[in-house]
Amino acid sequence: TQLLEQSPQFLSIQEGENLTVYCNSSSVFSSLQWYRQEPGEGPVLLVTVVTGGEVKKLKRLTFQFGDARKDSSLHITAAQPGDTGLYLCAAMEYGNKLVFGAGTILRVKS
Amino acid sequence: NAGVTQTPKFQVLKTGQSMTLQCAQDMNHNSMYWYRQDPGMGLRLIYYSASEGTTDKGEVPNGYNVSRLNKREFSLRLESAAPSQTSVYFCASSRTLAGGRTDTQYFGPGTRLTVL
Repeated sequence: TQLLEQSPQFLSIQEGENLTVYCNSSSVFSSLQWYRQEPGEGPVLLVTVVTGGEVKKLKRLTFQFGDARKDSSLHITAAQPGDTGLYLCAAMEYGNKLVFGAGTILRVKS
Repeated sequence: NAGVTQTPKFQVLKTGQSMTLQCAQDMNHNSMYWYRQDPGMGLRLIYYSASEGTTDKGEVPNGYNVSRLNKREFSLRLESAAPSQTSVYFCASSRTLAGGRTDTQYFGPGTRLTVL
């Protein structure tokens, strides 16, 4: 089982600030996913990246996949209170099994 | 179209009691999964089922059993609950693509289980 390390574990920022969350592993990923989870709900998929160096944008969210496909980042521009939640990265293992990182708790204060 | 539903939403058990967590999906997905989520540890796969009639162990299967009753339903059973099984349990489902790969996983709202 490949280990996914997420940092930081917790982030508390003011509305309008920018932030970056990181997901790293010593293993090479075939693909990597980012999820967002709100309290009392299950995770919801935000994006899947599959190509080294790939950059995907989802409104104010920018996702990058490292050239060597061992790391990924999620950047949020001008964070809003609605961005508050738990952000999880996950990688697909052999046998179609997802392995999750421990997550980053984001709190955006108004 | 309800997606993935789970029952119950909350449950408190005493050590040694048994219970079954229910999961159903109405998206005609072949693959279904059970995860547990603990603080600081993300989600860990307990069991999964690639199709009706098949089940396989995930990362943390000890103390659990599963049944893929039909294509829609996948249940998780705790035969003798232990305090270490206090967690939030999520069921998920996904469709199978060409070549055996799986598509996006859709998660249910979770069951919060406390074992005293």
